[in-house]
Amino acid sequence: KQEVTQIPAALSVPEGENLVLNCSFTDSAIYNLQWFRQDPGKGLTSLLLIQSSQREQTSGRLNASLDKSSGRSTLYIAASQPGDSATYLCAVKPDYKLSFGAGTTVTVRA
Amino acid sequence: EAGVTQFPSHSVIEKGQTVTLRCDPISGHDNLYWYRRVMGKEIKFLLHFVKESKQDESGMPNNRFLAERTGGTYSTLKVQPAELEDSGVYFCASSRTRTGELFFGEGSRLTVL
Repeated sequence: KQEVTQIPAALSVPEGENLVLNCSFTDSAIYNLQWFRQDPGKGLTSLLLIQSSQREQTSGRLNASLDKSSGRSTLYIAASQPGDSATYLCAVKPDYKLSFGAGTTVTVRA
Repeated sequence: EAGVTQFPSHSVIEKGQTVTLRCDPISGHDNLYWYRRVMGKEIKFLLHFVKESKQDESGMPNNRFLAERTGGTYSTLKVQPAELEDSGVYFCASSRTRTGELFFGEGSRLTVL
């Protein structure tokens, strides 16, 4: 059974600081890993999808890395802004369904 | 391109009543998923459709939950009769392929009193 862990559970940083969010999973046999953002009371917005054959994906200020052998992914957000405040969720796809972590709640202070 | 849409956004019902949630996936997405988040827990898988066929319903909690996807388009999730522990947010997602990127709707918040 796939277990996904996100550390830390919450993070507060001043504006402009880089964010580093960690995700670990127990079974390395995955199709892909997806990072999502969730704002309070809203749905999940897909940020980045990393296929199992890839090492990283980038989109604007976001960069996600994947190390399947060690069961880890890291989401980097450069030069954080107050608008980046949200809960970030990591999810892995070991079969045709996603297994989610509990999320990291980020607060960026102006 | 329209995203995944869900209705209603919030439903408040009494224990023992019936509720039906609806999901319209992104056009052309054969794969449709239902997920649920109950208070304080991670988002959990409920079931997966490919077109109108149920591929995996291993996450459905019990037989009070019934999901359908008539004609391979929109899907409904019915809870009958609802219990207090069914309260939570029900998310629908769709993808073009089974291993592809999932796109989620805004969720339907269910409160059972």
